[in-house]
Amino acid sequence: EAGVAQSPRYKIIEKRQSVAFWCNPISGHATLYWYQQILGQGPKLLIQFQNNGVVDDSQLPKDRFSAERLKGVDSTLKIQPAKLEDSAVYLCASSAIPGQGAGETQYFGPGTRLLVL
Amino acid sequence: GQQLNQSPQSMFIQEGEDVSMNCTSSSIFNTWLWYKQDPGEGPVLLIALYKAGELTSNGRLTAQFGITRKDSFLNISASIPSDVGIYFCAGRNYGQNFVFGPGTRLSVLP
Repeated sequence: EAGVAQSPRYKIIEKRQSVAFWCNPISGHATLYWYQQILGQGPKLLIQFQNNGVVDDSQLPKDRFSAERLKGVDSTLKIQPAKLEDSAVYLCASSAIPGQGAGETQYFGPGTRLLVL
Repeated sequence: GQQLNQSPQSMFIQEGEDVSMNCTSSSIFNTWLWYKQDPGEGPVLLIALYKAGELTSNGRLTAQFGITRKDSFLNISASIPSDVGIYFCAGRNYGQNFVFGPGTRLSVLP
């Protein structure tokens, strides 16, 4: 079974530029998550999708971050404009059981490493 | 909001030694997950726990869901060089999203 796919693996941009990340979850997984992981810290949830609807985006900085999952499968996360403090690893995860249900287990992709100069 | 603490923050052990680490929460959880993250990779799920008092093994790894539901423990027996990495706990209660600890960084000396 293929895992969660993410691209690109690495991205270097200058501040105020825009960047987009792509995620393809495990086949059949209805729930998709985007996390931000700053160096030395654990992942922090940015947004959760259930199929193509947003379940939780309370920690997404909506003035510069946006995400979509139009067909309920792939998802993109965009930052516009980027700031220096956005340098981090952006992780995508998916789960089969609807988010917040009993027995939920999340599987992560390899992440996209973003460096903002 | 909920916060998780992991201890120790880092540890250096000799190959062959056993390892113990723990995760504590300020809130009650109903699910605990343990992950390992290698440099340049995403976290890989090691063990999932869904019931207070549950003890689950995965090879040389054993994790326990604390009776108080505010903590969880991970043990690694007979450590080997490939155990090197950062171990994260994640927990949540019903109706809430997972929160992650800051990680325990494990180094194994030959």
